[in-house]
Amino acid sequence: GDSVTQMEGPVTLSEEAFLTINCTYTATGYPSLFWYVQYPGEGLQLLLKATKADDKGSNKGFEATYRKETTSFHLEKGSVQVSDSAVYFCALSDKDTGGFKTIFGAGTRLFVKA
Amino acid sequence: DAGITQSPRHKVTETGTPVTLRCHQTENHRYMYWYRQDPGHGLRLIHYSYGVKDTDKGEVSDGYSVSRSKTEDFLLTLESATSSQTSVYFCAIAERDGSSYNSPLHFGNGTRLTVT
Repeated sequence: GDSVTQMEGPVTLSEEAFLTINCTYTATGYPSLFWYVQYPGEGLQLLLKATKADDKGSNKGFEATYRKETTSFHLEKGSVQVSDSAVYFCALSDKDTGGFKTIFGAGTRLFVKA
Repeated sequence: DAGITQSPRHKVTETGTPVTLRCHQTENHRYMYWYRQDPGHGLRLIHYSYGVKDTDKGEVSDGYSVSRSKTEDFLLTLESATSSQTSVYFCAIAERDGSSYNSPLHFGNGTRLTVT
């Protein structure tokens, strides 16, 4: 079945450092790929998405490119801020027998120090 | 923010008791989902619904049932709660038509359930 694997955390960075969170996936079809972010005490929010190979999703300085040849969707940001501290989830959405399902990675917690 | 309300926000219950969690949406979206979030596992799908009275199982459906009698409400029932069902439960909705599955999920703020 479909699955998502992302790097384990926590990841601890200093403010203005470069961020990479790795994500790879397996899928039988042609999924859409997402990054979600979760702040303490809240539900997940969409950060960015890409729907086909070579698409680049971007939002709030974060970027990720849909790489079909390496089945990857790594999240990057050039200069992190303290306010970026959160848990980040990679996810894919694909067709299922009754409709559409979204499958999540285990999440990567990011701490950014001032 | 998408109009999703989960209730209750917190609940403590005893092993063996039935528990029902409610998800209410004001968006009239067709798809609704129940996930549980546990450390090291991310979010795992319990059940989902693609219309009134249309539901299907996710990867961790054992011990759970769902009902959707109205577009706006999706109920998750733990038939006989166990300590392994202590978790944070999230409801999510999505508007997906027959040709597109790239719409994102919109999440509620979760229900923290403790089974003692």
